[in-house]
Amino acid sequence: DTGVSQNPRHKITKRGQNVTFRCDPISEHNRLYWYRQTLGQGPEFLTYFQNEAQLEKSRLLSDRFSAERPKGSFSTLEIQRTEQGDSAMYLCASSLTGGANEQFFGPGTRLTVL
Amino acid sequence: KQEVTQIPAALSVPEGENLVLNCSFTDSAIYNLQWFRQDPGKGLTSLLLIQSSQREQTSGRLNASLDKSSGRSTLYIAASQPGDSATYLCAVCSNTGKLIFGQGTTLQVKP
Repeated sequence: DTGVSQNPRHKITKRGQNVTFRCDPISEHNRLYWYRQTLGQGPEFLTYFQNEAQLEKSRLLSDRFSAERPKGSFSTLEIQRTEQGDSAMYLCASSLTGGANEQFFGPGTRLTVL
Repeated sequence: KQEVTQIPAALSVPEGENLVLNCSFTDSAIYNLQWFRQDPGKGLTSLLLIQSSQREQTSGRLNASLDKSSGRSTLYIAASQPGDSATYLCAVCSNTGKLIFGQGTTLQVKP
C-alpha cells in the first residue's frame, strides 16, 4: 500500500509521560502536515513541513510539542509531559507542493491520556 | 481569520433520497476547497477537490460546487445509500497549504 501510514494506531498513556508518533507520507510527497482532532470537531492544523523544513506552526503547538522530519521523509510528533487535554486523534497528511495540492490523510493515532 | 461552518450538523434521510450538505467560509482568498468523508474512529478520505478557479467537480454520485464570491460550497449526494453514512467534512486551503476545517455534517442513511 502506498498511502500515508501512521504508527501506533492507538496509544494509552498516563499523565506526565512522553509519547512519540510516527507518520510515513506518500513517497513522492514533499509536504507533510499534522492535525489534531477532538471528539465531534473538525481537525485543527498543528504544523507542516516542506521536505525537512518546518514552515509553519500553530499556536496550538505548545512548547510541550515538537515535530521533526529529519530527512524529508517520515516525521515524528512528540508530546512531552502529557496532559488529559492532549487526548485526541492525531492525523498526518501529505501532498505535493503546488498544483492541485490535494492532501491525503493517514488513519490517525488515537491518544488517550489517563 | 478564516472560519468554516457546516450546516446541518446532523442529517438523517431514508435510502434513495438526494441530499445537499452546505459549507460556508468567511474569507474568499482560498487556494482550493476539499470535501472529505470520515468513518467513526478512522482517518479522512478525500472525496472531491475544487480549485479556486473552478465551479464544480463530480465523482460518481457526488457533485461539489464552489461559489467563492459568496463563500459557499455544497456537496450533493444523489440516490443516497446506507453505505454513505459517515461524517462529511469541508476544508478550505490557504495559500500556505494548511487546511481549515468545518465541524462536519454527520449523515445517517436509513435502509
